[in-house]
Amino acid sequence: DIQLTQSPSFLSASVGDRVTITCRASQGISSYLAWYQQKPGKAPKLLIYAASTLQSGVPSRFSGSGSGTEFTLTISSLQPEDFATYYCQQLNSYSFTFGPGTKVDIK
Amino acid sequence: EVQLVESGGGLVQPGRSLRLSCTASGFTFGDYAMSWFRQAPGKGLEWVGFIRSKAYGGTTEYAASVKGRFTISRDDSKSIAYLQMNSLKTEDTAVYYCTRGDPIAAAAPFDYWGQGTLVTVSS
Repeated sequence: DIQLTQSPSFLSASVGDRVTITCRASQGISSYLAWYQQKPGKAPKLLIYAASTLQSGVPSRFSGSGSGTEFTLTISSLQPEDFATYYCQQLNSYSFTFGPGTKVDIK
Repeated sequence: EVQLVESGGGLVQPGRSLRLSCTASGFTFGDYAMSWFRQAPGKGLEWVGFIRSKAYGGTTEYAASVKGRFTISRDDSKSIAYLQMNSLKTEDTAVYYCTRGDPIAAAAPFDYWGQGTLVTVSS
């Protein structure tokens, strides 16, 4: 199975900060990667798919990049509603594995 | 508006069975593959399984952790996907989510998720 790692696992930031989260795959997955936001007690929300395609309705401050084994999610200017846990997910094989998550907290 | 609503969760003893339902609305259900994911309390997300649309054969795929115990089916006339869970183990305790999408065959991401239903396996 393809394994995903995320860094950092925890991030403390302020409103207005630029935030970058990295996801690394154990083998090349081309651009078959998605990013989700999850808030406590809620379902995951799709932010980005195909590594860099913004899901409809998601604010443009979110962006994704990368291919192969290294990917990034960037929030250009952190807003109060962005404090949440972020997961990457590989869409390359039928295990659809997730990274362990990055919790973004208020500094 | 696309909506997915899971139901059927609850408390069940180890070794017993439970069937979850995912009722869809707001889109042509038969055109989409449907997946189930789960999240154990305080843990990360795990894919459970997947049923393709009839156009892609209506076949299924499962995670190794549930293969042989869980079965996914669909009733396109009612816009419902089912997750039949047999021989339940304590480690199956989780919130179960249904989603639509087929990222591999149809290049369609998991774009809509239900609110989840909690399954607790305990004696």
